[in-house]
Amino acid sequence: EVQLVESGGGLVKPGGSLRLSCAASGFTFSDYSMNWVRQAPGKGLEWVSSVSSSSDYIYYADSVKGRFTISRDNAKNSLYLQMNSLRAEDTAVYYCARGGYEPDYWGQGTLVTVSS
Amino acid sequence: QSVLTQPPSVSAAPGQKVTISCSGSSSNIGNNYVSWYQQLPGTAPKLLIYENNKRPSGIPDRFSGSQSGTSATLGITGLQTGDEADYYCGTWDSSLSAGVFGGGTKLTVL
Repeated sequence: EVQLVESGGGLVKPGGSLRLSCAASGFTFSDYSMNWVRQAPGKGLEWVSSVSSSSDYIYYADSVKGRFTISRDNAKNSLYLQMNSLRAEDTAVYYCARGGYEPDYWGQGTLVTVSS
Repeated sequence: QSVLTQPPSVSAAPGQKVTISCSGSSSNIGNNYVSWYQQLPGTAPKLLIYENNKRPSGIPDRFSGSQSGTSATLGITGLQTGDEADYYCGTWDSSLSAGVFGGGTKLTVL
């Protein structure tokens, strides 16, 4: 059974940093591209970033470019999102999702709240 | 403002059919596969349709997808109260080099 479990969310002040993690199991993690997608309270889905299976290709939404860094450790079956210079508008549930252009499995999400 | 345009809401009676549209451009829907997601209240999105019209294992054939030019459509037949959810279309935008989603459509089964 495919499982994606996010962690690392919480309350952080504007300008602060946070590192999200996603632990994957039930599939060969190193075979798949991975994504981070977020959803602000009461709003729609927003794609944040993608990384290819071997980290050769990395993409970011303009809204996070230069502030967020996606990475993965295939030996640990884990995906990460380092978030710096956080803003109030980054407040959202962050989902880890398997796959490239069409994510097929999603975790339950971790809530990031940016507030003073 | 979302790159892909969906109606904010649709509604229909139980047992009826509904369609949800998703409009884009040549850089996204026009040249890349479209996927559709169902998000029940308080839960993570679930893949309903991929590659425009394919259903993952376990998704009933009441759900269908189509694509024509720069638009895509999700169809749901035999509506059930359990289908009440938010539905999102998604694809890749080759010009932006970014994933894009529609703003979401709230389905109400009256």
